[in-house]
Amino acid sequence: DGGITQSPKYLFRKEGQNVTLSCEQNLNHDAMYWYRQDPGQGLRLIYYSQIVNDFQKGDIAEGYSVSREKKESFPLTVTSAQKNPTAFYLCASSGGRQNSPLHFGNGTRLTVT
Amino acid sequence: DAKTTQPNSMESNEEEPVHLPCNHSTISGTDYIHWYRQLPSQGPEYVIHGLTSNVNNRMASLAIAEDRKSSTLILHRATLRDAAVYYCILRDNRGSGTYKYIFGTGTRLKVLA
Repeated sequence: DGGITQSPKYLFRKEGQNVTLSCEQNLNHDAMYWYRQDPGQGLRLIYYSQIVNDFQKGDIAEGYSVSREKKESFPLTVTSAQKNPTAFYLCASSGGRQNSPLHFGNGTRLTVT
Repeated sequence: DAKTTQPNSMESNEEEPVHLPCNHSTISGTDYIHWYRQLPSQGPEYVIHGLTSNVNNRMASLAIAEDRKSSTLILHRATLRDAAVYYCILRDNRGSGTYKYIFGTGTRLKVLA
């Protein structure tokens, strides 16, 4: 079945450590996105990528980094510079046309203590 | 950025129709209107999208105002499984093939048995 896989579902880290969240898609989509969601809040865009080897900052990119070396993969690194990293992280992808819907993974819940 | 405005919450009785409104007064001529819904601890799920004409699918209907500055998601018979947060979003086309999807805080729909 085609879809987006995020792993792991739950992740625990100590403060000061970098952590990388995985996102893989087999939908052959060009565009991929990372969103952050805090309790009771909507989704905020961290980074997005329209094509391999290219990506743009979203609204809250500080303290995060990404890479897009392969079409299928868009990993997100939460660095120690991110002041409040505990959140629910969602990865999504879409086709290239303007009416292409977003497809989401089931998210990774990161807890940093 | 193209923005949308939705009520924070709405209630409906089971098996009755639900009309979820969305305002998008800054919409541009080529923006598609997308709707998604999110259950707790899951990624958002695509519901429907449209450009100018009203749209129907197996999940819902989308009614778009003639001036396109507002739209309404219609669930014809609400069930308990429809209880979720519903997001209305626009695809923000930055030109040069770059675009992003901006989410607001959505409408939390409560369905009463």
